[in-house]
Amino acid sequence: DVKVTQSSRYLVKRTGEKVFLECVQDMDHENMFWYRQDPGLGLRLIYFSYDVKMKEKGDIPEGYSVSREKKERFSLILESASTNQTSMYLCASRVGIAGDEQYFGPGTRLTVT
Amino acid sequence: GENVEQHPSTLSVQEGDSAVIKCTYSDSASNYFPWYKQELGKRPQLIIDIRSNVGEKKDQRIAVTLNKTAKHFSLHITETQPEDSAVYFCAAPLYNFNKFYFGSGTKLNVKP
Repeated sequence: DVKVTQSSRYLVKRTGEKVFLECVQDMDHENMFWYRQDPGLGLRLIYFSYDVKMKEKGDIPEGYSVSREKKERFSLILESASTNQTSMYLCASRVGIAGDEQYFGPGTRLTVT
Repeated sequence: GENVEQHPSTLSVQEGDSAVIKCTYSDSASNYFPWYKQELGKRPQLIIDIRSNVGEKKDQRIAVTLNKTAKHFSLHITETQPEDSAVYFCAAPLYNFNKFYFGSGTKLNVKP
């Protein structure tokens, strides 16, 4: 049973703080993803990684960076948090190409005040 | 995003009725179309998917149909039950087959 976990379910940060969101998967998946979910906008891809140390921008990478030093761990970094980054952040992983099921983590509700 | 359009944004049905959610996509090379269900406060989970070599797939009360010519696919839920109430997302791989584009979601409310 695939398990994707995220470091926090709820997080409150102040404007300008550096924020780290961590995601860990236990199924040796090559691909990992970070999405943000906002009402009416669906799931928007921030960044994804298809291998260790490899990353590719998604649709909304501005204000974010990522790190993948180990295959099982994918971190999302908000260099200087802003109020418009208040959102639900979902991590996902997938074993191969886009024809495989994508497994999601439970999400992190981030509030930036 | 705009690469995958999903309608309607909200859908309210009576228990026992059918529900249909539609998605259109823009890249004719897309070949895999999953549907995810997200219950309140929970993560999205895959409920059914279809590949481009078939036109329809069924799993008990849910089915997905695909029209490659028109570039749209639909989720059909028959004999709806209150536990079907959730947000449903369609997705399609576009342009770069390593990533999915998701529709904006449909909030389904099944009234008992």
